[in-house]
Amino acid sequence: DAGVIQSPRHEVTEMGQEVTLRCKPISGHDYLFWYRQTMMRGLELLIYFNNNVPIDDSGMPEDRFSAKMPNASFSTLKIQPSEPRDSAVYFCASSKGYEQYFGPGTRLTVT
Amino acid sequence: SQQGEEDPQALSIQEGENATMNCSYKTSINNLQWYRQNSGRGLVHLILIRSNEREKHSGRLRVTLDTSKKSSSLLITASRAADTASYFCATDQNYGQNFVFGPGTRLSVLP
Repeated sequence: DAGVIQSPRHEVTEMGQEVTLRCKPISGHDYLFWYRQTMMRGLELLIYFNNNVPIDDSGMPEDRFSAKMPNASFSTLKIQPSEPRDSAVYFCASSKGYEQYFGPGTRLTVT
Repeated sequence: SQQGEEDPQALSIQEGENATMNCSYKTSINNLQWYRQNSGRGLVHLILIRSNEREKHSGRLRVTLDTSKKSSSLLITASRAADTASYFCATDQNYGQNFVFGPGTRLSVLP
């Protein structure tokens, strides 16, 4: 298996632009998680899905963030409009038990 | 709110020495996990210990759990330069698949 796939790996955008991060979980996994990692705040859970349904989005910072999972093999995290404070590494992870498998992350820089 | 807190924040040892990292948490848990993150990579699951277990081993890793003290430790024996990474504990919230990650311990193993 290729593992969790994220794209793009790096994204540089200007403040105010829309950013879409993509994730392909491991086949057969029924949980999908989106995390954000920064030096100041560490690793924060933004939202997680079970069987494509959002279960807990209490970590989503504000209405500028939205996440979807239209099917079992694809999820997106969208930021619109982006702000410099959104700069971070965003990880997607999937699981079918307690062990989570992380993707390589997307490093987002908003200037 | 952050559940697990690792200690120390940073640890530097010589190759061949043992490394011990600690994790303290605040509320009751069902499961506690340890993950490793190499620089610029996603997290990798190391070991899971359940609340009714006191100790688990995996290769050079030994994890203990003391639920009365709400703490866990990760011991890496005979450390290698390749063990240089950040190590995170993750605790569940006594329900579901939502694990909260601590800020991590940065381990440097010097050759």
